[in-house]
Amino acid sequence: ETGVTQTPRHLVMGMTNKKSLKCEQHLGHNAMYWYKQSAKKPLELMFVYSLEERVENNSVPSRFSPECPNSSHLFLHLHTLQPEDSALYLCASSPGRDTYNEQFFGPGTRLTVL
Amino acid sequence: AQSVAQPEDQVNVAEGNPLTVKCTYSVSGNPYLFWYVQYPNRGLQFLLKYITGDNLVKGSYGFEAEFNKSQTSFHLKKPSALVSDSALYFCAVRTRNSGNTPLVFGKGTRLSVIA
Repeated sequence: ETGVTQTPRHLVMGMTNKKSLKCEQHLGHNAMYWYKQSAKKPLELMFVYSLEERVENNSVPSRFSPECPNSSHLFLHLHTLQPEDSALYLCASSPGRDTYNEQFFGPGTRLTVL
Repeated sequence: AQSVAQPEDQVNVAEGNPLTVKCTYSVSGNPYLFWYVQYPNRGLQFLLKYITGDNLVKGSYGFEAEFNKSQTSFHLKKPSALVSDSALYFCAVRTRNSGNTPLVFGKGTRLSVIA
């Protein structure tokens, strides 16, 4: 295991539900990321947090709302999602945002929106 | 702008044969290059990276990759494939000293090693 955990592993929700995805890293890293992985598409970077401050938001719809209460935890709050939001949501962390750092990924949350 | 191309959606190899998974990139400056592997129901796992120095990089599980600046390629290789190598492989690039530029991933190549 890489030291990055995600819960839940699977989530089914209706379009009017509110749910949250949780990510926790035990690696002492300072940067955390949310990615969306859809079939046959490149990974899409959604949000980046560095030292608990959001530093990137790649034009993600407001129905996705991230939260980083401390450097070890990252949440993705979901509200009124659409069926096309169904995907694997991956959390990752890295020691810092230096460009040569590899990222360590969690196992992902498989989200299905009905 | 940065981009990565993995021209093959699927690569099939017989067990024991050498394997190659292709990757070409485009960046405005010098690149940092990465390979990740994803097994079923798992997140991406780091395999190796090129930062500087020797163009041949060795990584986990016997994999290696060669940085070729003139061909802007970073192909992943292994001399003898195992059935357990069957997975989805992603190449990624980031421009050196790019500040806030994100890591850009290719679409992935599915490797199937047949016994």
